[in-house]
Amino acid sequence: QKEVEQNSGPLSVPEGAIASLNCTYSDRVSQSFFWYRQYSGKSPELIMSIYSNGDKEDGRFTAQLNKASQYVSLLIRDSQPSDSATYLCAVTKGDNFNKFYFGSGTKLNVKP
Amino acid sequence: DAGVIQSPRHEVTEMGQEVTLRCKPISGHDYLFWYRQTMMRGLELLIYFNNNVPIDDSGMPEDRFSAKMPNASFSTLKIQPSEPRDSAVYFCASSKGQGNSPLHFGNGTRLTVT
Repeated sequence: QKEVEQNSGPLSVPEGAIASLNCTYSDRVSQSFFWYRQYSGKSPELIMSIYSNGDKEDGRFTAQLNKASQYVSLLIRDSQPSDSATYLCAVTKGDNFNKFYFGSGTKLNVKP
Repeated sequence: DAGVIQSPRHEVTEMGQEVTLRCKPISGHDYLFWYRQTMMRGLELLIYFNNNVPIDDSGMPEDRFSAKMPNASFSTLKIQPSEPRDSAVYFCASSKGQGNSPLHFGNGTRLTVT
């Protein structure tokens, strides 16, 4: 079983809609959770981090964490074509918060 | 504030040649990571360092790969001899390593081995 699982997509949404990206993780002792955005041919860039249950909002982005169900999600409101990218979920564990486990990423297409 | 700097951006080499990738982490970051990304396998952690000391090299594919960090501002990843299956994008990343510190990635080196 992989440490972090994501649906590879592509997820297609119309411009202006809400895009919902999901990620599940296997280890209950996972501690920190991150969402990275990666444009084609570019490096991953940090969008959001979340450490406790609940929602965390930053502009059009909301990260949601549910440790009991072992999932973390990213909502993108008012999606724009410029949001089209691959979104990577990353998790660290409690026994080694410096070792990051990445999902395979979900490709998002926002159609004008 | 300069980010993580990697060189070269692109490397094309023939099978059997030695390849050296270079990385300068963000100043003040105590942790440095080397990742490899391919379409088939996604982002794979190869090795990471804390204060210039290798902590976990379990992701290094085989003895052909080696990594060093001679000082806090420089690291190398060497492949000798290179093989076509080593073709990938290699990312260096660094972090402060304080609890919930995120990774900051360099622009990557795209390696093609023919």
